[in-house]
Amino acid sequence: SQKIEQNSEALNIQEGKTATLTCNYTNYSPAYLQWYRQDPGRGPVFLLLIRENEKEKRKERLKVTFDTTLKQSLFHITASQPADSATYLCSGAGSYQLTFGKGTKLSVIP
Amino acid sequence: EADIYQTPRYLVIGTGKKITLECSQTMGHDKMYWYQQDPGMELHLIHYSYGVNSTEKGDLSSESTVSRIRTEHFPLTLESARPSHTSQYLCASTERMGTEAFFGQGTRLTVV
Repeated sequence: SQKIEQNSEALNIQEGKTATLTCNYTNYSPAYLQWYRQDPGRGPVFLLLIRENEKEKRKERLKVTFDTTLKQSLFHITASQPADSATYLCSGAGSYQLTFGKGTKLSVIP
Repeated sequence: EADIYQTPRYLVIGTGKKITLECSQTMGHDKMYWYQQDPGMELHLIHYSYGVNSTEKGDLSSESTVSRIRTEHFPLTLESARPSHTSQYLCASTERMGTEAFFGQGTRLTVV
């Protein structure tokens, strides 16, 4: 079955550094990948979408890449801030649904 | 701010009770979804709908049922709640595949 894997359950970084989160997909080829932010007790909020024919996309301090050879997407937050602390979910589009990974909990330490 | 609403936000209910979780969106989206999420775990799709009178089961087996009589409304019903149904339930909608999903705030259900 189609699967999205986010191997790091938790990531701790110092304020001001760049956080890099990894998302791998198996058993299918999503036409696009999305990244969401989820705060405790709340629904996910959309951040970025990247299509399979796009190598990289940026939005303010966020950058996402899509490598169809490695079957991987990287999500970067530059100049990280404590307010960036949250769980980040990767999602890939399947035939009828969005498949989500378990998420990576990012903690930015002041 | 997403125009998708879930009620109630929190619900504690006794075993055997019938409950309906409400989800409404004002964006006119045809595609709507219900996900179940346990703490620290991934979202599991339990139901989805591509439009009025269209409902399908998702990957995760669920004893719940859904209906889609109006575009904006996608309620989820549990006929007889059990402690194993304790979880967070998230409703989402998309304009079409390939666009962002908008999520509600979720309903945290506890069955005692």
